[in-house]
Amino acid sequence: DGGITQSPKYLFRKEGQNVTLSCEQNLNHDAMYWYRQDPGQGLRLIYYSQIVNDFQKGDIAEGYSVSREKKESFPLTVTSAQKNPTAFYLCASSFDNRPYEQYFGPGTRLTVT
Amino acid sequence: RKEVEQDPGPFNVPEGATVAFNCTYSNSASQSFFWYRQDCRKEPKLLMSVYSSGNEDGRFTAQLNRASQYISLLIRDSKLSDSATYLCVVNGAGGSYIPTFGRGTSLIVHP
Repeated sequence: DGGITQSPKYLFRKEGQNVTLSCEQNLNHDAMYWYRQDPGQGLRLIYYSQIVNDFQKGDIAEGYSVSREKKESFPLTVTSAQKNPTAFYLCASSFDNRPYEQYFGPGTRLTVT
Repeated sequence: RKEVEQDPGPFNVPEGATVAFNCTYSNSASQSFFWYRQDCRKEPKLLMSVYSSGNEDGRFTAQLNRASQYISLLIRDSKLSDSATYLCVVNGAGGSYIPTFGRGTSLIVHP
């Protein structure tokens, strides 16, 4: 079955540690996105990538890094520089010419203490 | 003014009721519009597109009012399973590639 997966579903880390969230899709989508969602808040774009080996900062890229070495994969690293990393992280993908039709993964809930 | 604004709710309605949400957008150059649905603690999923002429999908009707710069979602005969947050999405605002998501309107349908 085609889809987009994220792992793990829940992640706990100590403050000061970097952590990498996985996102994989087999929908043959060109574009991939990372969002952050805080309780009662909307989606905020962290990074996006329209093509392999290229990515762009979103609205809240500080403290995060990404890579796009393969079309199927777009991992997100939450670095120790991110001041409030505890959040629900959502990865999405779409065809490049249809960025409004995004398919989301199930999300990763990151808790940093 | 925010690019996309929605009343967060919650809208609390009984089963069988008709309920409508609006979403306003600030950029008159916005090109296309969508509604997504997000269940509690789950990922958003595309619900329906909003066409200039309006469109209907079963109990759901979406409409666009370009003159007043808002879109609406009407749900008839509400079901318990309609309880969710409904996100308004606007594409093409300000020439941006990335669509803009509203914060969502929460709907609670009770027995």
